[in-house]
This record gives sequence, structure tokens and C-alpha cells, in this order.
Amino acid sequence: DTEVTQTPKHLVMGMTNKKSLKCEQHMGHRAMYWYKQKAKKPPELMFVYSYEKLSINESVPSRFSPECPNSSLLNLHLHALQPEDSALYLCASSQDYYSAGWNGYTFGSGTRLTVV
Amino acid sequence: DQQVKQNSPSLSVQEGRISILNCDYTNSMFDYFLWYKKYPAEGPTFLISISSIKDKNEDGRFTVFLNKSAKHLSLHIVPSQPGDSAVYFCAASARSGGSNYKLTFGKGTLLTVNP
Repeated sequence: DTEVTQTPKHLVMGMTNKKSLKCEQHMGHRAMYWYKQKAKKPPELMFVYSYEKLSINESVPSRFSPECPNSSLLNLHLHALQPEDSALYLCASSQDYYSAGWNGYTFGSGTRLTVV
Repeated sequence: DQQVKQNSPSLSVQEGRISILNCDYTNSMFDYFLWYKKYPAEGPTFLISISSIKDKNEDGRFTVFLNKSAKHLSLHIVPSQPGDSAVYFCAASARSGGSNYKLTFGKGTLLTVNP
């Protein structure tokens, strides 16, 4: 299995809703990432998990809450989002935190989130 | 302030010809560069990379050239095929700077290869 699977593919939520994005990989990768990509912009790093522990939070607002229940799963819990949070949310994984810079990531297909 | 820039939003070439995608960077700490390819409704997939100690890396039809003094890299695809039509992202990382986990991406260039 060489894939990163993200669900759902599309999500529409109201500003008072609570929802979660899910990401799964079975490649034995020990680092997992959340990136956010707005239209006509590059992907931007949000969070990094290394060996199931949160290693990096790129000053992301607390309405985004990541969780790594085990080495294969990564969730992103969403609460009280704003319309400007509408974007493509990409999950990625890499063998480990240290080699990501030259081995690169394996990305999922993303969740297209619309906040209304 | 964009540290990785892809100034051409789109590029159109004929099948069989060469495609050249360009990327510029501003952060001199970047020492590893990667190209990703993205089809619609799919995540980006890794294509080819180059370390700053090299000036060229080749993999089949794909070659990446790095001009460190100009802070410029380019991806050459020869010959171009219709299946190469996708968005191409340039990305960079700073291994020696301690943030090797982080890839900084350009905005991407949409390549269209016409039959």
C-alpha cells in the first residue's frame, strides 16, 4: 500500500458546526502532516506529527485541532470555522521527520472544505 | 513574502517538444529542491529532486537543472506527452537550517501538452 487516504473528499460545514477530517496511511511512515491550500496559492504547512507526537504547529488558530490516535491515522478536528478557512486540506506522510526534505512526502488527494 | 516563485501560471507545448518549467527561490538556506506533479482531484505526487551540491539530475524524460548562484531551477520534460498535462509544483527545503521536515512550495505551473 503506497497511498495516503483522506476522507471525506468534499465537506460543507456551517460556522457553528464541528467536523473532522481523516487521513490514513499504511506505509509505516512515522511523520504525518497537514497542509492547507487556497485557490491559486501554494500548499502551506499547518502541523507536523512525528512518532505520533505533535512536533510543529505553524501558528495555526485553535479552531483547528489535530490528533494522531496511532501511527497510521491523523485527524483534523474543525470547530467554529470561518468562511476564509475554505480551502483544500492535504494530508501527507514521510518516512520520518528528518528525511522529508530530500525524500519528499506522499500526499493524499485532499479534502475540499467549504465553510458557509 | 513568497520564498519559492513560479512566475508562469501556465505553459502550453506541442506533443513531442520540450517543456521547460521554471522556479526561483529567495531563501539561501534552501539546499534541496523537489518537483511535484498534480492532476485534478488528486494529491501532488513526487517527480524528481536535486540537492544543492549538484547542478543536474536526470530521470528518464525529466531533468532538473539548478543554478545556485542565480537561485533558479528548471524542470525539462523531453519529449512532452499529453499525459504530462498537470500542475507542476516546485518545492524547497532547508536541511541544514533544521527545518528539513518542511517543504515550501511555489504556486504551481499548469502544463498543457497538446496532441
